[in-house]
Amino acid sequence: DTEVTQTPKHLVMGMTNKKSLKCEQHMGHRAMYWYKQKAKKPPELMFVYSYEKLSINESVPSRFSPECPNSSLLNLHLHALQPEDSALYLCASSQERLAGAGEQFFGPGTRLTVL
Amino acid sequence: GENVEQHPSTLSVQEGDSAVIKCTYSDSASNYFPWYKQELGKRPQLIIDIRSNVGEKKDQRIAVTLNKTAKHFSLHITETQPEDSAVYFCAARLTSNDYKLSFGAGTTVTVRA
Repeated sequence: DTEVTQTPKHLVMGMTNKKSLKCEQHMGHRAMYWYKQKAKKPPELMFVYSYEKLSINESVPSRFSPECPNSSLLNLHLHALQPEDSALYLCASSQERLAGAGEQFFGPGTRLTVL
Repeated sequence: GENVEQHPSTLSVQEGDSAVIKCTYSDSASNYFPWYKQELGKRPQLIIDIRSNVGEKKDQRIAVTLNKTAKHFSLHITETQPEDSAVYFCAARLTSNDYKLSFGAGTTVTVRA
């Protein structure tokens, strides 16, 4: 299996809702990432997990809460989001550090709309 | 931190012609430079990458060149086809950060049939 999968594909939520995005990979990768991407803009790094420990938090607001239950799964819990949080949320994984294998594999993304 | 500039922001080429996208980076310690292609509504996909110990790398119609002295790298697509139409992002990785890529702003390439 050489894919990163994400669910759901689309999500519409109100500002008071709580929802979660899920990401899964079975490539044995030990680094997993969350990115936010606005239309025609580059992905913006949010969080990095390395060996299931949070390695990087790019000063993301606390209404976004990541979780890495095991080496194959990555979640992003959402609560009290704002309309400006509407974006494509991409998950990615890499073998370990980018210095090693190099390539980051992206999932198809979850298109989030906050009303 | 690393700053990556990418030019042009849009590029329109006739099918069969070549396309060139250029990126410059600020930190001489950067050592890994991937290029991603993102078609409309799809995920970014790595199309080619280069490391700082190599000056050029080619994969069929795609090539990347790296000039470490000038701190710039370029993507060359030859014999362009309509399916090459997409947004292309360059990126650079600092040696001091194992996980973070700094992305360029992107180039929207349109191949006219």
